[in-house]
Amino acid sequence: NAGVTQTPKFQVLKTGQSMTLQCAQDMNHNSMYWYRQDPGMGLRLIYYSASEGTTDKGEVPNGYNVSRLNKREFSLRLESAAPSQTSVYFCASNIGRGTFSYEQYFGPGTRLTVT
Amino acid sequence: AQSVTQLGSHVSVSEGALVLLRCNYSSSVPPYLFWYVQYPNQGLQLLLKYTTGATLVKGINGFEAEFKKSETSFHLTKPSAHMSDAAEYFCAVSGETSYDKVIFGPGTSLSVIP
Repeated sequence: NAGVTQTPKFQVLKTGQSMTLQCAQDMNHNSMYWYRQDPGMGLRLIYYSASEGTTDKGEVPNGYNVSRLNKREFSLRLESAAPSQTSVYFCASNIGRGTFSYEQYFGPGTRLTVT
Repeated sequence: AQSVTQLGSHVSVSEGALVLLRCNYSSSVPPYLFWYVQYPNQGLQLLLKYTTGATLVKGINGFEAEFKKSETSFHLTKPSAHMSDAAEYFCAVSGETSYDKVIFGPGTSLSVIP
């Protein structure tokens, strides 16, 4: 049982390049999330997916797109990277029964630098 | 909207001393409260959570937290700090939105001095 996995672990992009961050979970969770973590700001929600085929914007969605490919996988795409998107990106999942009492499980993160 | 504040972005304690990390929240509904820990270069993992019932919640690694509704607080404590407790700690709240959205505080970095 691997939990939540993310690829790649590190990435350096030049301004304007595109890339996709991959996330997969093997816990049969319904909900999946993408966060970015910046110093002193905690975690900010980029996008959320309550179930396969549905996605919703979080606090900071601009410059990002997501795809919930199936129940296991939730990818985050940067179409035209900007230096402001330099951050650590975390994927998380939750059983997603809407009761709020279940915790989120996090992947190890992707450290992205945009130059 | 729900929010979380954590007093002190950096806290230093001596090994063996009491650990106290402060968390205050605001919420228009009865909150669900969580503490997560992040070790260097890792993702977050759950320390403990309060949903309903007993207001003193025990978690992993000897940590506990007490939900105080009157003070809108959920402070994290550990009687005796260990070197391995050095990490970033995040308080979080949920329960206000129509989905399982969690609002995280800015985090407190704990250093343990030998």
